[in-house]
Amino acid sequence: SQKIEQNSEALNIQEGKTATLTCNYTNYSPAYLQWYRQDPGRGPVFLLLIRENEKEKRKERLKVTFDTTLKQSLFHITASQPADSATYLCALVLYGNNRLAFGKGNQVVVIP
Amino acid sequence: DAGVTQSPTHLIKTRGQQVTLRCSPKSGHDTVSWYQQALGQGPQFIFQYYEEEERQRGNFPDRFSGHQFPNYSSELNVNALLLGDSALYLCASSLALTGSRNEQYFGPGTRLTVT
Repeated sequence: SQKIEQNSEALNIQEGKTATLTCNYTNYSPAYLQWYRQDPGRGPVFLLLIRENEKEKRKERLKVTFDTTLKQSLFHITASQPADSATYLCALVLYGNNRLAFGKGNQVVVIP
Repeated sequence: DAGVTQSPTHLIKTRGQQVTLRCSPKSGHDTVSWYQQALGQGPQFIFQYYEEEERQRGNFPDRFSGHQFPNYSSELNVNALLLGDSALYLCASSLALTGSRNEQYFGPGTRLTVT
């Protein structure tokens, strides 16, 4: 069956350190992989998109890697700040299909 | 530049009732998708509208239906509400021209509680 797996345990991290989140998927062949941020009671906010033929993408303090062999994406927040505390969702965009398939999300708590 | 707006913010309904949720897409966007997000879960795709037609549908029963108007705004209707329909309903808009990049802009959601 198709699965998108993100760590269900919250990631507690000290301010200034790098937070790393993992997104693993099975039985999908995504064209793109996206990462969103979601705050409690709010809609997700688009952060980054990476194509299946790209290895790495950066945006300010964010970095995403995409390994289609391992079927895995890593999401890094460098120099983390308390304002980065939120739930981060990975989403797959499939070929010929405009729907997004989301993981459950991974909560990040940045401790001052 | 107005982002995606949804109404109402919160809604409480009784089992068996019907509900209509509304969405206005981000200015310039022509495609609207609806998602259901249960507590602690990721959003689940319900359906997508483009050019006033349902283009794709997720694994949701026919009790869930929708509509898109000429001004690109959209409605989600749910009939015969069940307790399990309690969730945050998210509307997302995008531009069809972006193709598979499919960067979506989400609204704040409507919190539906079925009692």
